Amino acid sequence: GQSLEQPSEVTAVEGAIVQINCTYQTSGFYGLSWYQQHDGGAPTFLSYNALDGLEETGRFSSFLSRSDSYGYLLLQELQMKDSASYFCAVPSGAGSYQLTFGKGTKLSVIP
Amino acid sequence: GAGVSQSPSNKVTEKGKDVELRCDPISGHTALYWYRQRLGQGLEFLIYFQGNSAPDKSGLPSDRFSAERTGESVSTLTIQRTQQEDSAVYLCASSRTKTDAYEQYFGPGTRLTVT
Repeated sequence: GQSLEQPSEVTAVEGAIVQINCTYQTSGFYGLSWYQQHDGGAPTFLSYNALDGLEETGRFSSFLSRSDSYGYLLLQELQMKDSASYFCAVPSGAGSYQLTFGKGTKLSVIP
Repeated sequence: GAGVSQSPSNKVTEKGKDVELRCDPISGHTALYWYRQRLGQGLEFLIYFQGNSAPDKSGLPSDRFSAERTGESVSTLTIQRTQQEDSAVYLCASSRTKTDAYEQYFGPGTRLTVT
C-alpha cells in the first residue's frame, strides 16, 4: 500500500520562504505530485517530480529524493493568496491512474 | 468547456434516500476519477474510468456506491440508501490519459449533506 506523511499545519510570514515536507512509503515509486486547495475550492495541480532533483515553476519549486523517500514543496516570496492546503500525492503503480493523497498541510500566511 | 464541471454544487438529502452526482470532464480527456473528501481530510479515491475499459471500482466503500460513464463524456456517481457517514465533498477529476494521472484537473465538487 501507499502512505504519505505531511505536517498538518505551517505558518509563515508574507514575503518569506516556506518548505512543506512529504515522506512516503510506497510499493514501487512512480513520481510525486503536489496540489493546492483553497478553502472551499477544488485541488489544482502544482508540480510533479519523477526524478531526483528540483523542479521550478515560478515562485513554487518541488524537490524529490527517491533514496530518502522524501520530497518537499518550496514556496518563495509568500503572498497572502498562498494560504491554502497543500497535498502531496503518489500514483499507485506504473502508469497508474489511482493517486493516493497525503492528508494535506494547511499553510497560513500572516502579514 | 474550460474545465471540469459538477452538479449539483450542494445536495442535502435525508438518510435512506438515493442521490446522483454528475461530472462533465474536460473535453478530450479520456481518464475520469471520483474522490471523496471529508472535512479537513485528504482525498479518498473512489473509482476511475479510462475510455471504454472496465472501470476500477477498488475504492468504492460499499455496494451502495456505483458510477457510470458513457464513453469519454459525462459520469454519474450514485449513492443508494444514503447514510450520515456519506456526508462529504465528492470531487471529480479528469486527465488527458491514464498515463497523465499525476496531473489531474478537478471540478468544484458536490457538497453532500445527509441529515
